[in-house]
Amino acid sequence: AQSVAQPEDQVNVAEGNPLTVKCTYSVSGNPYLFWYVQYPNRGLQFLLKYITGDNLVKGSYGFEAEFNKSQTSFHLKKPSALVSDSALYFCAASGAGSYQLTFGKGTKLSVIP
Amino acid sequence: SAVISQKPSRDICQRGTSLTIQCQVDSQVTMMFWYRQQPGQSLTLIATANQGSEATYESGFVIDKFPISRPNLTFSTLTVSNMSPEDSSIYLCSVDADGGETQYFGPGTRLLVL
Repeated sequence: AQSVAQPEDQVNVAEGNPLTVKCTYSVSGNPYLFWYVQYPNRGLQFLLKYITGDNLVKGSYGFEAEFNKSQTSFHLKKPSALVSDSALYFCAASGAGSYQLTFGKGTKLSVIP
Repeated sequence: SAVISQKPSRDICQRGTSLTIQCQVDSQVTMMFWYRQQPGQSLTLIATANQGSEATYESGFVIDKFPISRPNLTFSTLTVSNMSPEDSSIYLCSVDADGGETQYFGPGTRLLVL
């Protein structure tokens, strides 16, 4: 069975500092990996994905994520955090060709002015 | 990507009643999905709905409790039947896009059962 772990319930970072939200996965075969963001009282918004190719993927709002196969990780990063980045971030994974997404429990990001 | 709407956006219901949630997408899609997000929790897949066939339910979810319709390629409904307070959750629909590689989500329906 596939699984996704987000080891931090909450991440606090000062505005302007770099941020990292961690994610590790367990998927049979080649994984499809995703990051979604959920703002208060909103649905999930797609940020970025890794399917194949370059290990560093760039997404919306200046976010990027690095696929590391040896560490089975897909950490979300941003060079300079904004207060408006404060939200709940979900990592998700599926097996190649499978539609079944498995989500992590989410990490609450708070960017402090 | 896809633009997805859900109705209602929120509702407060009495136990024992049923609520039908609608999901509309702006383009034809093969697969639509229904998820539940319980308070403070992650998302759990309820079922997958393909047009013209019965929905496929995940372990722990049954058709009698969560009947689903998929009458065409742009629309689906999820009914939460005989509700109890434990059904209080956000219910989200999603669709596959980008050649089936990515799921895009609707804004969700916030349900409170008293």
